[in-house]
Amino acid sequence: DSGVTQTPKHLITATGQRVTLRCSPRSGDLSVYWYQQSLDQGLQFLIQYYNGEERAKGNILERFSAQQFPDLHSELNLSSLELGDSALYFCASSWTGVNSGANVLTFGAGSRLTVL
Amino acid sequence: KNQVEQSPQSLIILEGKNCTLQCNYTVSPFSNLRWYKQDTGRGPVSLTIMTFSENTKSNGRYTATLDADTKQSSLHITASQLSDSASYICVVSARSNYQLIWGAGTKLIIKP
Repeated sequence: DSGVTQTPKHLITATGQRVTLRCSPRSGDLSVYWYQQSLDQGLQFLIQYYNGEERAKGNILERFSAQQFPDLHSELNLSSLELGDSALYFCASSWTGVNSGANVLTFGAGSRLTVL
Repeated sequence: KNQVEQSPQSLIILEGKNCTLQCNYTVSPFSNLRWYKQDTGRGPVSLTIMTFSENTKSNGRYTATLDADTKQSSLHITASQLSDSASYICVVSARSNYQLIWGAGTKLIIKP
């Protein structure tokens, strides 16, 4: 157990629907990162939050949005789902928002989204 | 453009053998370089982090090297075990914005 909790583990939904993925960071970590990994592909950075504020943005689609709440948990909202959104979505956390040498990202087990 | 390239794309070796995975990057200015291990369907796990001044870092049977002049890193795995079967991902942090640039990974398969 890495200490980063993601729910749900698996989710099957239909095209056009909306889902919410949830992430609780490791205790003491202030930063949350979201990544998407399609089948046999590398990790694609979506977005990063630090202490409730957006810190960095990657290739996140306009149909996707995220936020980090005062208790530091984060949610990734995916709407108007398409078949191509089927992927593993990983959340990672770190104690700081700066990717210095001392800042290790700890990943959760991921949420597997299947869009039919 | 900041990029991280890894080779080979995939590698199959016999249990007990050694192997070396390569990572070349064009990220500048450089902050640090990380190697992650990702088992299929699981989240990546950090193996090592190296800053500019570090040439070598070990974590058990894993040894990472860094040549900041040539912008190359390698991950050497000694006496491979079946549990080493995974993807190994090189990640470089740029000092300008501290964003992480992820490589595509090397898929390593250890055969008994």
